Amino acid sequence: RKEVEQDPGPFNVPEGATVAFNCTYSNSASQSFFWYRQDCRKEPKLLMSVYSSGNEDGRFTAQLNRASQYISLLIRDSKLSDSATYLCVVNLYGGSQGNLIFGKGTKLSVKP
Amino acid sequence: DGGITQSPKYLFRKEGQNVTLSCEQNLNHDAMYWYRQDPGQGLRLIYYSQIVNDFQKGDIAEGYSVSREKKESFPLTVTSAQKNPTAFYLCASTGGQGTGELFFGEGSRLTVL
Repeated sequence: RKEVEQDPGPFNVPEGATVAFNCTYSNSASQSFFWYRQDCRKEPKLLMSVYSSGNEDGRFTAQLNRASQYISLLIRDSKLSDSATYLCVVNLYGGSQGNLIFGKGTKLSVKP
Repeated sequence: DGGITQSPKYLFRKEGQNVTLSCEQNLNHDAMYWYRQDPGQGLRLIYYSQIVNDFQKGDIAEGYSVSREKKESFPLTVTSAQKNPTAFYLCASTGGQGTGELFFGEGSRLTVL
C-alpha cells in the first residue's frame, strides 16, 4: 500500500451537491491527520485537522476510521469557491512535522 | 502582518548553475521546512530544521543544501547536482514542538532552461 493515497479525481459536481473524499494511509499507528486545501498555483492552507471523534466546521466534516485506516472529508452544499485540490496529510510515524506525508491531492471542480 | 515570505516567486536558471531560494518568517516559529511539488504530485520534503544551526534531510535531499543561521531564515540552494530541478518549491514553518499547523509561503517556481 502506498503511504498516503487519494483518488486524484477530478470530481466535477454541481453547486449545492454533497461530495466526499477518502484518503487511506499505510501505518496503523499514525496519530495526526489533516486536510489542506490548495488553489491552483498557490500554497496549501490548512482546512481542518481530523480528530478521532470526527469534527465539523460549517459545511465541512472530517472523520477518521482507524480500523480501515482512512480519513474522509465531506463537503455539503458545495459552492463555486470550493473548487480546489484537497490534500490529505498524515503524520505517519509520529514525532515532528518532518514525518508528515502528503497525498497527491483530490481535485474538486464545482460547476454552476 | 506575520507570515512567511519566499523569493523570488519565479526564477529561470541555466543548467549547471546553482540557485538560492529565500525563505523568511516573522512568526517566531522554531521549525521550518522546504518542500518540492511537481505537477499532479503531493509535496515531498527536502530538508527541515527544528532549531537554529540544526537541520535534517528529508526524503529528497540529494542535490539541495540549506542553512539555518537565524531563526527567521531558512534558505534553500538548488545545486547543479540536482538532476531535475524544475518544480514548485514551498517553504513552511510551524510553532511549538513542530507538531502544529504548517504555514506556507507563496512558493517559488523554478524553471531550468
